[in-house]
Amino acid sequence: NAGVTQTPKFQVLKTGQSMTLQCAQDMNHEYMSWYRQDPGMGLRLIHYSVGAGITDQGEVPNGYNVSRSTTEDFPLRLLSAAPSQTSVYFCASSNTGGGLANYGYTFGSGTRLTVV
Amino acid sequence: AQKVTQAQTEISVVEKEDVTLDCVYETRDTTYYLFWYKQPPSGELVFLIRRNSFDEQNEISGRYSWNFQKSTSSFNFTITASQVVDSAVYFCALSTGANSKLTFGKGITLSVRP
Repeated sequence: NAGVTQTPKFQVLKTGQSMTLQCAQDMNHEYMSWYRQDPGMGLRLIHYSVGAGITDQGEVPNGYNVSRSTTEDFPLRLLSAAPSQTSVYFCASSNTGGGLANYGYTFGSGTRLTVV
Repeated sequence: AQKVTQAQTEISVVEKEDVTLDCVYETRDTTYYLFWYKQPPSGELVFLIRRNSFDEQNEISGRYSWNFQKSTSSFNFTITASQVVDSAVYFCALSTGANSKLTFGKGITLSVRP
């Protein structure tokens, strides 16, 4: 089924470890983004991309890296995990070529990350 | 800069009561889009509605209705005759268009008691 696929769904890391959260979409969406969700904070934008080769920082980018080598994939890298990065992470993509009538965001099912 | 404020953090109602979830937004753009999402206990984000700034018409979908008022920068969501299955976190969000950031409010936790 078309949509946004996030892997893994759950992950436990030790402080200082690195890992990559994967995000892939098969809808040919140009816009992709990563959010983290923490209790009482809503969803906060980490990084976003408006197309292959283009990325930019969101509201809470520190401690995270991204790259966009293809339209389909937008991985999020934690270089040295910290307990403050314990959160639920959502990837989202947006259709920009379908006209305003179809404008919207598709979210992945989320990755629950715990850093101990 | 854009901002979404959901002043209510938690609401608890008894089944069959009506409940309104408030959303106030800020943006300098004249073209923008407002969204409501539902996050049930299972954790996924479920899209409920999108409204653009040129369309102030209220919308009704079954037990759900939305009231968009540009004069007060508000986009409120009402659930009529609430049900236990409506228990979830509800997010209001704002975007200024394609390829732009989607900004979320902090969410409202709705608990509907039998």
